This record gives sequence, C-alpha cells and structure tokens, in this order.
Amino acid sequence: KAGVTQTPRYLIKTRGQQVTLSCSPISGHRSVSWYQQTPGQGLQFLFEYFSETQRNKGNFPGRFSGRQFSNSRSEMNVSTLELGDSALYLCASANGRGAGDIQYFGAGTRLSVL
Amino acid sequence: GENVEQHPSTLSVQEGDSAVIKCTYSDSASNYFPWYKQELGKGPQLIIDIRSNVGEKKDQRIAVTLNKTAKHFSLHITETQPEDSAVYFCAASNPNDYKLSFGAGTTVTVRA
Repeated sequence: KAGVTQTPRYLIKTRGQQVTLSCSPISGHRSVSWYQQTPGQGLQFLFEYFSETQRNKGNFPGRFSGRQFSNSRSEMNVSTLELGDSALYLCASANGRGAGDIQYFGAGTRLSVL
Repeated sequence: GENVEQHPSTLSVQEGDSAVIKCTYSDSASNYFPWYKQELGKGPQLIIDIRSNVGEKKDQRIAVTLNKTAKHFSLHITETQPEDSAVYFCAASNPNDYKLSFGAGTTVTVRA
C-alpha cells in the first residue's frame, strides 16, 4: 500500500505570494490532517478534514486554509506569505473512524519564504 | 487546550544502554498517546502508541508506560543501537478533537 504522498517536496516563494500544497492520503483513508513544523514552535496542528468537511482547526490566521476533495486528496493554501511561514508542512492521513485513529505522516513539503 | 511537555530535549546514550523520554499532558480527557520517530528529511513515523485503558505496552526493544492519575507517559528504549538516533515526539489526543498535540521533541544520539 502506498504511503502518504505530499507534493511538491520543496518550494521557494517570496513574501506576499501565495502557495498551494497537496496531499494524497493512504488509499482508503478519509481523514487528512495538516501540521506545521518549525524549530521554534515544534509540530502545530493546522486543520483536519474528513469527507470534505473540516472537523477541527488550529490557532492559525485566516491566511491558512485547506480543503478536501471527494477522493480524499487534500490541499492547503497559504496566502500573502510572510517570512515566518517558512516551515516543514506535514500531512497525515487516518481512516477517520474517530479521534484516536493512528495518523500516518508524509515526508512533508519544505517551504522557504524569502 | 491540551499542553504536552516533553523531557529531556536532548539525550546522548552509549550503544547498548537504555533511553527514557518522559511526557506530561494537561487534559484529563486525552485517551490516546502515540510516539513518533523522525529521521532527517523524513516525516514522523509511528513507533508505538498506548490508549488510556492500558498501563503499559511493549514492542521488542520499545515500551511505553502510562500513568493516568499523574498524567504522564514515558518511552523506554532498551539495548539502543546507532539506528535509534533520531528525534522522538510524544503526542496526546482528546477523543473530541481529531488532532494530535505534540511535545517539543527529544533528540536522541546513540554513541557507538
């Protein structure tokens, strides 16, 4: 079974631009979560989607948004990029049966904002 | 919300010795506690997890213990090997949240 696939692996953007990251979950998984990882703040939860519905959202500004498609693939978008948005963005998939499902992570997308 | 604290932040052990990482959590409703290992350039990989109805779980050289009363849980790695060198994260999940709250991570270095 293929794992969680995130594309692209690396991105370089400049301040003010917007970016879209993609995540394909494990086949059969219906839940996708996004996390931001930085050296200073560690792993922080962004949002979680199940069957195209956002079930939970972390404490991030409205510039961070996401969506999930009917095939469970998910995208997250960051608008008006700031230097502080430089981070590793991780996607995790789970079967979605309930909270406490095992979450499997992708390798992440490394975003650098210049 | 849930707050997970993890100690120590760095740990250096001699090959063959044991390593112990400790975490505390704040939300008494949390009932799922996974541990992840992250190697350079990779995403976190689940190595073991424990649920609140169990006090201890073991998988070969790795074990996790949970004390619900004290709200802390620990990861034990025995007979450490160089390939155990990585960053380890503990996490906690509340049944109503659909998210993981992570500790800050422990960088483990196994000296040959």
